[in-house]
Amino acid sequence: SQQGEEDPQALSIQEGENATMNCSYKTSINNLQWYRQNSGRGLVHLILIRSNEREKHSGRLRVTLDTSKKSSSLLITASRAADTASYFCATDDQTGANNLFFGTGTRLTVIP
Amino acid sequence: DAGITQSPRHKVTETGTPVTLRCHQTENHRYMYWYRQDPGHGLRLIHYSYGVKDTDKGEVSDGYSVSRSKTEDFLLTLESATSSQTSVYFCAAATGNNEKLFFGSGTQLSVL
Repeated sequence: SQQGEEDPQALSIQEGENATMNCSYKTSINNLQWYRQNSGRGLVHLILIRSNEREKHSGRLRVTLDTSKKSSSLLITASRAADTASYFCATDDQTGANNLFFGTGTRLTVIP
Repeated sequence: DAGITQSPRHKVTETGTPVTLRCHQTENHRYMYWYRQDPGHGLRLIHYSYGVKDTDKGEVSDGYSVSRSKTEDFLLTLESATSSQTSVYFCAAATGNNEKLFFGSGTQLSVL
């Protein structure tokens, strides 16, 4: 299936450090999105990058997309304890299936 | 959670009983979705709606039905609950199909 896969599954860093997590997918896409989920809550949309874009920024977030490698990375700079959450990538599917495929997430812990 | 309200937040039911989960949105989004979240699977699409009375199946639709009689309400029904339907259910809404989804806080359903 198209389901994205995040890497690593878990990441623990000190406050102030940068956090990088990666997403790989299998088929051609129109766009890729990143979401955050705090424990016990719903997902929150962070950023969307289209297949014709290579890099996008939003505040402390930087997302890259390499369609030749079918991969994306999410960089959170100067991390804060409040960034502790699970992060998911989601991809659509150019085959026309009306489905947004989510990965299983990276669990980020930022230690104060 | 961005105008998406799910009810109930928690429910325990017995195998074989029907269950209805409710999702209400206040932002007039055209598209609405029901996902389930299970460990090791990420989020999987159950059903979605692209307008009032317009619905279609997602990736894991067996045993579920939906209805959307008004723009703001999207109901998910488990016709005869099974233990395999124990999960966390999330409703989401979007203005553009599969772009920038807004999620509710989820319903924890336990089928005993």
